[in-house]
Amino acid sequence: GENVEQHPSTLSVQEGDSAVIKCTYSDSASNYFPWYKQELGKRPQLIIDIRSNVGEKKDQRIAVTLNKTAKHFSLHITETQPEDSAVYFCAPPRGTALIFGKGTTLSVSS
Amino acid sequence: NAGVTQTPKFQVLKTGQSMTLQCAQDMNHEYMSWYRQDPGMGLRLIHYSVGAGITDQGEVPNGYNVSRSTTEDFPLRLLSAAPSQTSVYFCASSYSNRGGSSYNSPLHFGNGTRLTVT
Repeated sequence: GENVEQHPSTLSVQEGDSAVIKCTYSDSASNYFPWYKQELGKRPQLIIDIRSNVGEKKDQRIAVTLNKTAKHFSLHITETQPEDSAVYFCAPPRGTALIFGKGTTLSVSS
Repeated sequence: NAGVTQTPKFQVLKTGQSMTLQCAQDMNHEYMSWYRQDPGMGLRLIHYSVGAGITDQGEVPNGYNVSRSTTEDFPLRLLSAAPSQTSVYFCASSYSNRGGSSYNSPLHFGNGTRLTVT
């Protein structure tokens, strides 16, 4: 989406490695930062989100970090597994709507 | 709860035909939205609604109409289908903005409608 940049567009890792995906946004009023996962042929599903009053949130192998000053937030996946293979989207708000990034295709090979 | 229900799952149209994609949710969500997904383009917002009687344009609204007469339903109308509208369409809903003017609630997606326009 406009003013939402997500990098990298593709990421290949070996099982057990870590993966990091970065999302840059433009709306300085944003205070909610979600990440969605979409498996092939399925609908996107929320995997983790963070609000602007904290800098980091962790849920088992997944974490999100936020840098409001620089206007970017990142998804961290540790100890990657083949089932982590999917497309990941950041979706920072722009006003009263969510604008999605173009996605990162993560491939985890065993 | 059924969550977000989209119908139909698949549809083939000829250029110039019109149709309505249906979306219903049973979670009492005030916010509803439509996205289209094309390869390499991510999910692009077509239209959204923050409550019954209120709609607004997203990133790619041309060629589509919406209305929100009830909290539960948010149909998307294609007025005159074009091959460029071939895509997968997702409806999504959430609670409305809570405690702020910016969006701040998780989206729940339907299973999508795959539309082909020939």
